[in-house]
This record gives sequence, structure tokens and C-alpha cells, in this order.
Amino acid sequence: GENVEQHPSTLSVQEGDSAVIKCTYSDSASNYFPWYKQELGKRPQLIIDIRSNVGEKKDQRIAVTLNKTAKHFSLHITETQPEDSAVYFCAADTGGFKTIFGAGTRLFVKA
Amino acid sequence: NAGVTQTPKFQVLKTGQSMTLQCAQDMNHEYMSWYRQDPGMGLRLIHYSVGAGITDQGEVPNGYNVSRSTTEDFPLRLLSAAPSQTSVYFCASSSSPGNSPLHFGNGTRLTVT
Repeated sequence: GENVEQHPSTLSVQEGDSAVIKCTYSDSASNYFPWYKQELGKRPQLIIDIRSNVGEKKDQRIAVTLNKTAKHFSLHITETQPEDSAVYFCAADTGGFKTIFGAGTRLFVKA
Repeated sequence: NAGVTQTPKFQVLKTGQSMTLQCAQDMNHEYMSWYRQDPGMGLRLIHYSVGAGITDQGEVPNGYNVSRSTTEDFPLRLLSAAPSQTSVYFCASSSSPGNSPLHFGNGTRLTVT
């Protein structure tokens, strides 16, 4: 089955710097890659997603890149703000009704 | 729309007790799923359903049962609770699995003593 690895587990940046979180997946059939943000005590919520026929997608300060050949995808947050502090999860979906998550990255943005 | 609603928010059980975690959605989503979240391990899929009457196992199904009698409801049953089942449980739904995101409920924090 699918396996998703996520790095780093913890990331600390200064406000205004960029943050990058990387994920790899194992199943070449995976075709949908969402990213979720979870604030303390809250539910995970989608922040951006990308499909396998697209290499990059941007939404304001957030971007995601996908390398199908290498089976990895990354989340890029520019101009980080304190409210970006949260846990971020990458996920992969093979289209077989199973969304498999990475272990999460705890992002701290220091003011 | 309320989205995905989970009850209860908190629950404490003794080892061996049984209980049902409730999940309901009002978005007419055919796909629903249950995840557990443990520190450092992300979200792990327990069971999922692609429609009324159809369920299947996820990554960590042991110790849990599910059923899907209606499109709206997808309860998760713990038949004999164990301390290893202490976790936060999230129910989620999607309009098109594999193409659109999961919508999560607010979670149930379960402690088994």
C-alpha cells in the first residue's frame, strides 16, 4: 500500500522567512496530493492541493510542487507570519479511496 | 450547512467497555472515513465507506467496527476498549475521493484507562 514520508518533523523560522516541507510517496498510482493545516486543538483543513498532471500550483503565499518521476512533492510558504504556526500534513491518494497522510510537520514562526 | 458533525467531543472509557462514536454529514457526500491521530504519527485511516451499505478497512482497522446504513451517518464502534485506543478520532467526508479534499469533523478525544 501507499506510504508517505514527511520531513522535517519540526521547523522553526523567523517571521518573513520562507518555509519548505517535503514529502515522498511510494505508490506510483497516486494522483492527488492535498496539504492540510491543523491549528492547536482544531481539525485539519485543506490549504492547497495538486493533481498528478500538474507540476506546480500557487495560491498567494503558498505553493506546492510535484515531481512524479522522483515521487516527491513539497509545500513552500513565503513571507511567513505568526499565524502560519501550526502542524502541516501532506497526503497522497491513489484513487483507491484511501488518503494516506504523512506524520506531520510542526511549524513555528518566531515574531 | 453544518458540514461534518462528531459526537461526543470527549469520552473516557474503562478497559473493556464499548462505545460508539457518532459522525454525520449534511453535504450529501458518498465517501466517509474515520482516522485516528496520535502524536508523531499523523492521521491513520481506520475504515472508510464509499456509500450506504459499503464499508472497507483502512490502515489500522483492528478493534473497530463500522456500518453505513444512510448516506449521512457513519458511526465507529469500539467493541472492547483498550488503552492503545486512546487517541483523537476524526471523521471525514469527500464529494469525490481521489479528486477533492476531505472535510473533517471537530474530532473526539478518547481516553481509555
